[in-house]
Amino acid sequence: AQTVTQSQPEMSVQEAETVTLSCTYDTSENNYYLFWYKQPPSRQMILVIRQEAYKQQNATENRFSVNFQKAAKSFSLKISDSQLGDTAMYFCAFMKFIGFGNEKLTFGTGTRLTIIP
Amino acid sequence: EAQVTQNPRYLITVTGKKLTVTCSQNMNHEYMSWYRQDPGLGLRQIYYSMNVEVTDKGDVPEGYKVSRKEKRNFPLILESPSPNQTSLYFCASSLRMNQASYEQYFGPGTRLTVT
Repeated sequence: AQTVTQSQPEMSVQEAETVTLSCTYDTSENNYYLFWYKQPPSRQMILVIRQEAYKQQNATENRFSVNFQKAAKSFSLKISDSQLGDTAMYFCAFMKFIGFGNEKLTFGTGTRLTIIP
Repeated sequence: EAQVTQNPRYLITVTGKKLTVTCSQNMNHEYMSWYRQDPGLGLRQIYYSMNVEVTDKGDVPEGYKVSRKEKRNFPLILESPSPNQTSLYFCASSLRMNQASYEQYFGPGTRLTVT
């Protein structure tokens, strides 16, 4: 079974600074997908960024980027120029490539990020 | 607008009183799933469905039932709710991975309290 570990329950950073959220996972699969979801106080789950394991290039989405280290099974999220609206719970999630089977997302326990004005 | 809707958004009920949380998507997605979110545990899958009339258990199915009679709807049924089912529930849907579209779209969540 896959497991996802987020070792930082809470983090805080000053507005406009850069912050990195860590995530490690354990799997024997070779083909899989990794995601970061944001959950603001509204509780909506919002996809921030995704990474296909077969791609060596790290994914980026505007101020959000990842550092994907497949051999180390590490998938950290970097938020540059942090904004007050980035305050949220962030979940790392894993999905193995199944095709016709259960496309279950396995989530970490989350990191609560607070951006300080 | 493409979306996943859930109703109700908030529900307070008593132990043993049957309830249904509805989930509907308008994106013609084949795959649908229910998750529950609890503090310190992240989100865990309850049940999933790969298509109409095809459902199966996730990681924490005890105390829940589902059905998939129509492609767009995937209700979650609690026949006899207990306090340990107090949680935040999310419905999600996606096209199939073999169609090269695997992003899961989440509903807004249902906060359930069982007293």
